[in-house]
Amino acid sequence: AQTVTQSQPEMSVQEAETVTLSCTYDTSENNYYLFWYKQPPSRQMILVIRQEAYKQQNATENRFSVNFQKAAKSFSLKISDSQLGDTAMYFCAFISGGSNYKLTFGKGTLLTVNP
Amino acid sequence: DVKVTQSSRYLVKRTGEKVFLECVQDMDHENMFWYRQDPGLGLRLIYFSYDVKMKEKGDIPEGYSVSREKKERFSLILESASTNQTSMYLCASSTEGQGANEQYFGPGTRLTVT
Repeated sequence: AQTVTQSQPEMSVQEAETVTLSCTYDTSENNYYLFWYKQPPSRQMILVIRQEAYKQQNATENRFSVNFQKAAKSFSLKISDSQLGDTAMYFCAFISGGSNYKLTFGKGTLLTVNP
Repeated sequence: DVKVTQSSRYLVKRTGEKVFLECVQDMDHENMFWYRQDPGLGLRLIYFSYDVKMKEKGDIPEGYSVSREKKERFSLILESASTNQTSMYLCASSTEGQGANEQYFGPGTRLTVT
């Protein structure tokens, strides 16, 4: 069974600075997808970024980028120029390439951006 | 934009009551999901459905059942609510296909069982 580990329950960063959230996963599969989801306080969870395991290039979405290390089974999220609106719970998630439904989530990291 | 709605944001029920949580999506998605979110535990899959009238158990199905009579609607049923079912319940939907498909989430229902 796949597992996803987020070792940082809480983090904080000053506005405009850069922060990195860690995620490791365990799988024996070679074809899979990884995601970072964001859940702002009292608001809906939304997708931040996704990475296909077969792609060597790290995914980027504006201020959000990932450092995908397949051999190390590591998938960290870097947020540049942090904004107050980035304050949220962030979840790392894994899904097998052969499945269209079974997302496995980490326990989450609560990120607070301070003014 | 995909919209996933849930019938209630907050719900308070008594132990032993039958509870219905409703979820509706407007994007003709094949897959729908019910998760439970608890502090320190992340999201855990209760049930999912990949088609009308089709369902499969997730990781924690005990004490729950589901119903999907129409493609856009997926209901979670607590047959006899217990205090350990106090939690945040999230519904999600996604289109059919390979694993990269994004799941779209509803706003959640915070259920308290007293």
